[in-house]
Amino acid sequence: DQQVKQNSPSLSVQEGRISILNCDYTNSMFDYFLWYKKYPAEGPTFLISISSIKDKNEDGRFTVFLNKSAKHLSLHIVPSQPGDSAVYFCAARYNFNKFYFGSGTKLNVKP
Amino acid sequence: DAGITQSPRYKITETGRQVTLMCHQTWSHSYMFWYRQDLGHGLRLIYYSAAADITDKGEVPDGYVVSRSKTENFPLTLESATRSQTSVYFCASSDPGLASDTGELFFGEGSRLTVL
Repeated sequence: DQQVKQNSPSLSVQEGRISILNCDYTNSMFDYFLWYKKYPAEGPTFLISISSIKDKNEDGRFTVFLNKSAKHLSLHIVPSQPGDSAVYFCAARYNFNKFYFGSGTKLNVKP
Repeated sequence: DAGITQSPRYKITETGRQVTLMCHQTWSHSYMFWYRQDLGHGLRLIYYSAAADITDKGEVPDGYVVSRSKTENFPLTLESATRSQTSVYFCASSDPGLASDTGELFFGEGSRLTVL
């Protein structure tokens, strides 16, 4: 039973435009939601997180939105750059020690 | 170097052999984790540890053994490797007790294991 889902396996966006990556979850007890970026042959690197008590968090070009009623979060990247091309994983934390990951979305930013 | 390191980075073994993947972190984080990454499944938790000598199963623990005699080390052993255990394995750590907790999980670079 997947508690965190990323329904889009891939996304292609033109450089300079907005990239929107989506994630759905089922457990209302998650306390943190995170986005990770992963390049081939490297470990996932942390991008941005949001506490369950907030609905938006920004860090430079990256903004995460949390809609608790819909159990949905999204990552916006504005403007998208070719270096943003990677696999993005959504994750959710439960009880400090359990992290549930989505299956990833491969973002391709075209120059 | 500070951080979390995994070894070996690449390993090829045969069915039935024992394999140990090493993980070492320099932050003294309380929690450590082992994940495997497979196409279509994202990252799945194998085992985690809340502190030295405390370990617990994750989603996919069968065929794996862990130990944590020291806070900084968390080795993962495949006692009798099978082809289905061919995967990329990631070790991670976190310390949710910190005042600066952002929920972040810190990952190693991964160990790619092939079981023939």
